Amino acid sequence: EIVLTQSPDFQSVTPKEKVTITCRASQSIGSSLHWYQQKPDQSPKLLIKYASQSISGVPSRFSGSGSGTDFTLTINSLEAEDAAAYYCHQSSSLPVTFGGGTKVEIK
Amino acid sequence: QVQLQESGPGLVKPSQTLSLTCTVSGGSISSGSYYWSWIRQPAGKGLEWIGRIYTSGSTNYNPSLKSRVTISVDTSKNQFSLKLSSVTAADTAVYYCARVGSSWVGGDAFDIWGQGTMVTVSS
Repeated sequence: EIVLTQSPDFQSVTPKEKVTITCRASQSIGSSLHWYQQKPDQSPKLLIKYASQSISGVPSRFSGSGSGTDFTLTINSLEAEDAAAYYCHQSSSLPVTFGGGTKVEIK
Repeated sequence: QVQLQESGPGLVKPSQTLSLTCTVSGGSISSGSYYWSWIRQPAGKGLEWIGRIYTSGSTNYNPSLKSRVTISVDTSKNQFSLKLSSVTAADTAVYYCARVGSSWVGGDAFDIWGQGTMVTVSS
């Protein structure tokens, strides 16, 4: 089973700041890495697929990068509505797995 | 626009079987190339993939739950279902159904999720 390790676990950020969340895989997964945003009491929402592919309807301030074992989700110019937990997910091999999550709080 | 909706009992007794159904609306469960999946999330914790089914009936399960899980599909009702046997308090969680593209064996991203349903295991 591929283990995904996210960092940090928690981040408190002021609006308009840049946020960087990392996801490290226990073995190479190519670009089969996806990012989700989950707001309190909501289901996860797909933000980025295959490491860097944008999703229709997702604000352009969200971007992803990386390949192999190291991946990054970047939120440029954080807005108050971005307060949420963020999860990475690998679909390189079964069982698919998720990172432990990063909670972003707005200062 | 395809939507998913979970349904089933919110309370299950220990050692019994948890049964949930996901109803697909706005499109046919048989159209396109998708896996239909179950994912769960204990309160305050992360996401755990339970398993998936293709409309052909082919299934894949998380090895950690495989001995207790059955996922089935009813294309006539546009539904797929989850059964988890011998439940304990550790199975208490929000259960989500989700759609994932099947362009390759690992699947794609989960692009559509249900709203989730809370299941508590307690006597």
